Amino acid sequence: SQTIHQWPATLVQPVGSPLSLECTVEGTSNPNLYWYRQAAGRGLQLLFYSVGIGQISSEVPQNLSASRPQDRQFILSSKKLLLSDSGFYLCAWATGDHGELFFGEGSRLTVL
Amino acid sequence: DQQVKQNSPSLSVQEGRISILNCDYTNSMFDYFLWYKKYPAEGPTFLISISSIKDKNEDGRFTVFLNKSAKHLSLHIVPSQPGDSAVYFCAASESGTYKYIFGTGTRLKVLA
Repeated sequence: SQTIHQWPATLVQPVGSPLSLECTVEGTSNPNLYWYRQAAGRGLQLLFYSVGIGQISSEVPQNLSASRPQDRQFILSSKKLLLSDSGFYLCAWATGDHGELFFGEGSRLTVL
Repeated sequence: DQQVKQNSPSLSVQEGRISILNCDYTNSMFDYFLWYKKYPAEGPTFLISISSIKDKNEDGRFTVFLNKSAKHLSLHIVPSQPGDSAVYFCAASESGTYKYIFGTGTRLKVLA
């Protein structure tokens, strides 16, 4: 069966520090991968998605970036965090063009 | 520009009664719609989906209705149970884009 893991689960970082959130999918090949953010009182905002290794599409211009170094690995990064980067980050995967989107457990980021 | 909207931030329903959650969208190219349930500090879990070629899909206590002319979909939960208390998100996707756009969510509280 397919599983998705993301870590760390909780992160407290000072403003201006770097960020790296990692997501790994098991049990499937060539998944479409996604990063979403849920800010306080807001919905799920699509940040990045990838349909293949090295292919990254950005939805919201910001100081975050994403990379897909391997087929089932998706990384969310920042060189310098802002207060507004605080939120609940969710990695997700899907196969094909239409289908269920499966989410990881989420990573709570607090920027102080 | 919010392409998927859930105009009711919260809803309270008595146990055993029907819960109706609503979702509106603006992009007529959306052709696949999904509903997710989310508990605090967890990733969303898939509930039910519907393709634009249908106007109704049913799975147990959950039924999704799609009105394409009104660009409106709704999720019916019958009968509602206290365990259904969570935030519900609707999402929409357009063929060929690989993107899933989420609404802002509706918090459902089922009262025992």
